[in-house]
Amino acid sequence: GAVVSQHPSWVICKSGTSVKIECRSLDFQATTMFWYRQFPKQSLMLMATSNEGSKATYEQGVEKDKFLINHASLTLSTLTVTSAHPEDSSFYICSAGLQAGETQYFGPGTRLLVL
Amino acid sequence: DAKTTQPPSMDCAEGRAANLPCNHSTISGNEYVYWYRQIHSQGPQYIIHGLKNNETNEMASLIITEDRKSSTLILPHATLRDTAVYYCIVSTGRWGKLQFGAGTQVVVTP
Repeated sequence: GAVVSQHPSWVICKSGTSVKIECRSLDFQATTMFWYRQFPKQSLMLMATSNEGSKATYEQGVEKDKFLINHASLTLSTLTVTSAHPEDSSFYICSAGLQAGETQYFGPGTRLLVL
Repeated sequence: DAKTTQPPSMDCAEGRAANLPCNHSTISGNEYVYWYRQIHSQGPQYIIHGLKNNETNEMASLIITEDRKSSTLILPHATLRDTAVYYCIVSTGRWGKLQFGAGTQVVVTP
């Protein structure tokens, strides 16, 4: 149990386009999901907290208009990178918290390359 | 800033126990100790967590000192597939943010 999936697993796009990444909890409901970003040879950095049915909470320095988060159901959160630029190239990872319990489970990640 | 301190790297022989230390001297009473690991180019994998008592599951054991200021993750019989970056994180539980530090790069050698 406690499986989190992400789609796509990797994406290449042109500069200026928008990219949507999906995060799904496959076998449990997640009121709260988290989005992280990881640059090469660095640790994970929390970008935002996504709550079902409400606006996401962004960490300091993360542009909410650039990284749009929608958490429309208890099993799906989406991250849209708008007007992507090469510096947005990174490994994007989501996590979801079990409603009954104290643990977050992570997705496999989405590798984004902006040309 | 991360609330934990871990050694940057450790080597371990295959088949031997791996003991990974973590200091969290400023841990609060309602914060859990979590351990995750990240194998190259994958999402972090949950290993174990605890509040006060020692914990054991099919992957590892977690030993938390009585004052809760440090803990040790024990991989009882390390395999080559245990090579990964191991992160020790303190957090308030399922709604709490996970702040990742640099972790410990564990390399298991034959």
